[in-house]
Amino acid sequence: DAKTTQPPSMDCAEGRAANLPCNHSTISGNEYVYWYRQIHSQGPQYIIHGLKNNETNEMASLIITEDRKSSTLILPHATLRDTAVYYCIVRASNTGNQFYFGTGTSLTVIP
Amino acid sequence: GAVVSQHPSWVICKSGTSVKIECRSLDFQATTMFWYRQFPKQSLMLMATSNEGSKATYEQGVEKDKFLINHASLTLSTLTVTSAHPEDSSFYICSARLQRGRSYNEQFFGPGTRLTVL
Repeated sequence: DAKTTQPPSMDCAEGRAANLPCNHSTISGNEYVYWYRQIHSQGPQYIIHGLKNNETNEMASLIITEDRKSSTLILPHATLRDTAVYYCIVRASNTGNQFYFGTGTSLTVIP
Repeated sequence: GAVVSQHPSWVICKSGTSVKIECRSLDFQATTMFWYRQFPKQSLMLMATSNEGSKATYEQGVEKDKFLINHASLTLSTLTVTSAHPEDSSFYICSARLQRGRSYNEQFFGPGTRLTVL
């Protein structure tokens, strides 16, 4: 699975959009980009995933660059409950393999 | 849907005792489950892959005789920490794989179990 690089921490004002970047320059053609988040002392929560097209769901939007070497998770209107560690993971979805977590980005939403 | 539970949510035990942690997929069947360990301020580290009806596959550096994994049914995997020591104190998290069709699957994580060994 391709490695990912994320900034260790970010702050965002409550109500503003939070844009979390992820670099995955060695991604392969069959690898998806997944985003999970972990609120303190809880299990990871699935947010969104995508292959090459931009994706949107009720939680967030995922923007993947055309060369697929990087992506951005967007929380459109951050709330205090969005304070968490956000993990970007690249994995081939059809392999059935496990997720290997990187260090993630610790997002703090500020009132 | 796709809920994974863990029991207990926290446990405190004496050094030298064994502790069993259960991971259940509540509304789906999971042929594969995964066990992770997380130390304070660190990321999740995969320990092993648990396959229903067969032996678990352990990651490099994880002692299989110390961390016993049993996946006896499609909805239950157990992790037993044998002869626990204070350095085994950690947050243990499981996940279960939900197969959607032939080529796609998702993973759902449990809430974690906090183990403290005195």
